[in-house]
Amino acid sequence: SQTIHQWPATLVQPVGSPLSLECTVEGTSNPNLYWYRQAAGRGLQLLFYSVGIGQISSEVPQNLSASRPQDRQFILSSKKLLLSDSGFYLCAWTRVAGELFFGEGSRLTVL
Amino acid sequence: LAKTTQPISMDSYEGQEVNITCSHNNIATNDYITWYQQFPSQGPRFIIQGYKTKVTNEVASLFIPADRKSSTLSLPRVSLSDTAVYYCLVGYSGAGSYQLTFGKGTKLSVIP
Repeated sequence: SQTIHQWPATLVQPVGSPLSLECTVEGTSNPNLYWYRQAAGRGLQLLFYSVGIGQISSEVPQNLSASRPQDRQFILSSKKLLLSDSGFYLCAWTRVAGELFFGEGSRLTVL
Repeated sequence: LAKTTQPISMDSYEGQEVNITCSHNNIATNDYITWYQQFPSQGPRFIIQGYKTKVTNEVASLFIPADRKSSTLSLPRVSLSDTAVYYCLVGYSGAGSYQLTFGKGTKLSVIP
């Protein structure tokens, strides 16, 4: 069966520090991968998606970036965090037809 | 332009049937309609998916009219544990269309 893992689960970082969130999928190949962010009490904002190794599409221009160095690995990064980057970050995968499978999430607090 | 529109919140008593409607006037031919449930501090969880007509599984039913411009999630006999945010997602991750964008969701509160 397929599983998806995210880490770290919780992160507290100062403004201006770098960020790296990692997501891996097991039990499937060639998944479409997604990063979403959810601010407190808000809906899910699509940040990036990837349909293959090295292929990244950005939905929202900001100081975040994403990379896909391997088929089942998706990384969210920032060189310098802003207060507004705080939120709940969710990685998800799908094959087709919009059925997304989400990871456990990573809660980021920027101070 | 938002792809989906849902009521912001709904209240229901335990044991009642709850129907949440989602409007998606610009649905594309390839798009599927998928409903998710989200509890606080968790990722959304798949509930049900359909393309047209009616779909039923062990937890919900999904009604889609012929024009596919709306859909209704039906939760039979809700309990307190069904208190959550419900999202309707319209899309298809393939064939050049990969943006899976969520709407604002419907916060369902089940009252004892």
